[in-house]
Amino acid sequence: TQLLEQSPQFLSIQEGENLTVYCNSSSVFSSLQWYRQEPGEGPVLLVTVVTGGEVKKLKRLTFQFGDARKDSSLHITAAQPGDTGLYLCAATGFQKLVFGTGTRLLVSP
Amino acid sequence: DAGVTQSPTHLIKTRGQHVTLRCSPISGHKSVSWYQQVLGQGPQFIFQYYEKEERGRGNFPDRFSARQFPNYSSELNVNALLLGDSALYLCASRSPGTGGIDEQFFGPGTRLTVL
Repeated sequence: TQLLEQSPQFLSIQEGENLTVYCNSSSVFSSLQWYRQEPGEGPVLLVTVVTGGEVKKLKRLTFQFGDARKDSSLHITAAQPGDTGLYLCAATGFQKLVFGTGTRLLVSP
Repeated sequence: DAGVTQSPTHLIKTRGQHVTLRCSPISGHKSVSWYQQVLGQGPQFIFQYYEKEERGRGNFPDRFSARQFPNYSSELNVNALLLGDSALYLCASRSPGTGGIDEQFFGPGTRLTVL
């Protein structure tokens, strides 16, 4: 069974700070997705990374897929309160997603 | 266009009871998946249905069952509820993405509390 571990589990920062969330596994993935989930809602897809070493940017969010396709990171620049939520990485498997343990981010004004 | 809809939004049951959760996928999506998200954890895969047939099943007991209807909506049934079944149940519909990578779109979930 694939196991995706995310770190840190919880992060509380001030508005304007930068942060990085990590997603690690011992398995190789064909692709990996990042989701953000807000309270009372389902996860919303942010990005899909496919190629080892790939870097994708989404406004202040930068996503990187490890060269060996076993790990990924999400970097947020100048965090805003609207970035608050649960960040989940997910490996795309046959017919299903395998989610990581999640990182809960709280950005205070 | 409406996204994935789920009903009810909240549900309270007692141990041993049965529950049925409902999901309507995005129009045009033929695949529906169900996930269980226990508080503080990431979602765990329960079932995937495509064209009314089960295409995948996670590591859940036989108390969990599901079906998909001709209009592609789906029901998740859980029998003999246990306290540990308390969770947010998420439904996702799938759209084939570019390069063969599927994208799943999640509904808001049904919050089930078992007392």
